[in-house]
Amino acid sequence: GAGVSQSPRYKVTKRGQDVALRCDPISGHVSLYWYRQALGQGPEFLTYFNYEAQQDKSGLPNDRFSAERPEGSISTLTIQRTEQRDSAMYRCASSTKVGRGNEQYFGPGTRLTVT
Amino acid sequence: AQRVTQPEKLLSVFKGAPVELKCNYSYSGSPELFWYVQYSRQRLQLLLRHISRESIKGFTADLNKGETSFHLKKPFAQEEDSAMYYCALINRGNQGGKLIFGQGTELSVKP
Repeated sequence: GAGVSQSPRYKVTKRGQDVALRCDPISGHVSLYWYRQALGQGPEFLTYFNYEAQQDKSGLPNDRFSAERPEGSISTLTIQRTEQRDSAMYRCASSTKVGRGNEQYFGPGTRLTVT
Repeated sequence: AQRVTQPEKLLSVFKGAPVELKCNYSYSGSPELFWYVQYSRQRLQLLLRHISRESIKGFTADLNKGETSFHLKKPFAQEEDSAMYYCALINRGNQGGKLIFGQGTELSVKP
C-alpha cells in the first residue's frame, strides 16, 4: 500500500510568512509523529498524536509552531511568522498502534527554506 | 536526560572490509535501541532494533548495557551499504514512541 506522504516536498518562503506542512499517514496508523532535521544533524522530535489527541508537544521550539490532527488521520504542522532558523527538513512518521517501540514509517520529508 | 551519541560523522571503508558504526547512549530508564538508515534519495527506514536480535542485510547490533553502547557491525561491507545511518532510542518509561536520534554517520563504501 501507499506509504506516508508529505506535501509540499519543497517550500521556499519569505521570512515572516506562515507555512503549513501536511502529512498523510499510512491508512489505519494510529500514531503520528513530527520531527525536524537541521543540516548535519539527526531528526529531532517535535510532537506526536495518538488518533486526534496531541500526546506530547514538548519538542515544539516555541509558540510559533503548532500541529493538529483533527480527524485522527491527516496532520498539519503550522509555523507562523517564519524565521530563517526554521529552515530544515521536516519529517513525519506514523506507526500502527499506541505504545512504545512500534516501528515508525517515515515520509519523504518537506524541505523548508526561509529566505 | 536521554541522549544518543554517534562520534563519527563520516566513515569510509573499502568494499569487503569490516565496518563498525559506533553508538553510545545515556538514559534514565530502560531504553529500546534502533538503527535507522537513509539511502540516497530515499526516505528514512528502520534497519534493525535490539529486541529483535536479528541480522538485516548482514548488519548486527548488540546492546551493551555496561558500556551503554549499541554499535552496528557488518563483517564485509558492500557498495550498496553506502548511506546515512542513525542510531535512536525510545525510553520504555514514556507513553508513546518518541525517538531520540544521534547525529548520524555517513558510511561510504569504496570499490
